[in-house]
Amino acid sequence: AQSVTQLDSHVSVSEGTPVLLRCNYSSSYSPSLFWYVQHPNKGLQLLLKYTSAATLVKGINGFEAEFKKSETSFHLTKPSAHMSDAAEYFCVVSDPWGDKLIFGTGTRLQVFP
Amino acid sequence: EAQVTQNPRYLITVTGKKLTVTCSQNMNHEYMSWYRQDPGLGLRQIYYSMNVEVTDKGDVPEGYKVSRKEKRNFPLILESPSPNQTSLYFCASRGRLETQYFGPGTRLLVL
Repeated sequence: AQSVTQLDSHVSVSEGTPVLLRCNYSSSYSPSLFWYVQHPNKGLQLLLKYTSAATLVKGINGFEAEFKKSETSFHLTKPSAHMSDAAEYFCVVSDPWGDKLIFGTGTRLQVFP
Repeated sequence: EAQVTQNPRYLITVTGKKLTVTCSQNMNHEYMSWYRQDPGLGLRQIYYSMNVEVTDKGDVPEGYKVSRKEKRNFPLILESPSPNQTSLYFCASRGRLETQYFGPGTRLLVL
């Protein structure tokens, strides 16, 4: 069975400071992991994905995530937040075939000037 | 332009009145799926289809039907909608070994 836990429902940061959105996963096989972003009243956009290649994954808009098997974590980071980063972020784990996505409950990121 | 389209984008209906939300993709993808998004619950998969005439239940299939008669289309059918089906619905598609592409969403209100 697979599951994903996003440890924070809300995160607030000041513009220009680092962002850390935490995600832990559980999977009985080697997982594929994703981060998606959803801006207000918009659809879902893929930020990055991990599929058992490099453990540090770089995505769009300066985001990256590190796969840590020993900690079963896939935290999302960005060195310097921008106002346009304010959105909801979803950590997602997939079965090996990519057919079944399990979404976390989401983390809402607020960025203050 | 490669895209997944959904119609309608917004829908208000009453309990028991059958409705269909259409989903279409122009990428020749084999795999398509439907999700619903509810506050605090993230997205949950309703149904998915791995090819024409091949569909399977996701995590929350009760009260929904789907069909896959053509590769590009994957409509979601609510035979007798109820207020607990008020939600934001997303259709998605992907090709083999690819990431899922999501549609823009359909916001449904059942009174």
